Amino acid sequence: QSVLTQPPSVSGAPGQRVTISCTGSGSNIGAGYDVHWYQHLPGTAPKLLIYRNNNRPSGVPDRFSASKSVTSASLAITGLQAEDEADYYCQSYDSTLSVIFGGGTKLSVL
Amino acid sequence: EVQLVQSGAQLKKPGESLKISCQGSGRSFTSYWIAWVRQMPGKGLEYMGIIYPGDSDTRYSPYFLGQVTISADKSISTAYLQWSSLKASDTAMYYCARSPAPGESNFDYWGQGTLVTVSS
Repeated sequence: QSVLTQPPSVSGAPGQRVTISCTGSGSNIGAGYDVHWYQHLPGTAPKLLIYRNNNRPSGVPDRFSASKSVTSASLAITGLQAEDEADYYCQSYDSTLSVIFGGGTKLSVL
Repeated sequence: EVQLVQSGAQLKKPGESLKISCQGSGRSFTSYWIAWVRQMPGKGLEYMGIIYPGDSDTRYSPYFLGQVTISADKSISTAYLQWSSLKASDTAMYYCARSPAPGESNFDYWGQGTLVTVSS
């Protein structure tokens, strides 16, 4: 069981908006550590989607955005496209466990 | 362009040893940290540890300390992950990934993954 909790799955129709939550605790997100997000298509290398809570690397569409709250973070995808169907992971740091990933969320585009 | 190229898939027997590699392109290899991440079949990503090839400073996740060894050879821009005695539970895809620093930093470039299968 991951220290960062993500919903196992979310789904949405093309064009819709979906959000993926990442819930931590006081020893990780709540301690002020940054949260990063990755997109992972099966059989490929994970791709950095958001870094340092709400920053997009060059080349990532602005349909992807993220925010961070006290002990949680959230990834939002607007204008959902078929190509967005993938697994999404949040990542942070825990003061006792080192680098940690969320359990992952499978996004299905209906 | 930064590239991390990993060694090919491996099929090993329990008890055997194994060393897989991750070779980086570009002069910046020794200026970044290289981490290893495990993905067991049907499961999520797990951080194993990280190394700074410039001086081989290595940090392990508590879960993997003593289970694997991470090393690097900066002269050939390569990081390694090795096992002395594989178990069936080591069957997984292993990714290397680049990070600007250990700790809370992100992983901006990833290798293509190395599939390790351990079966008798």
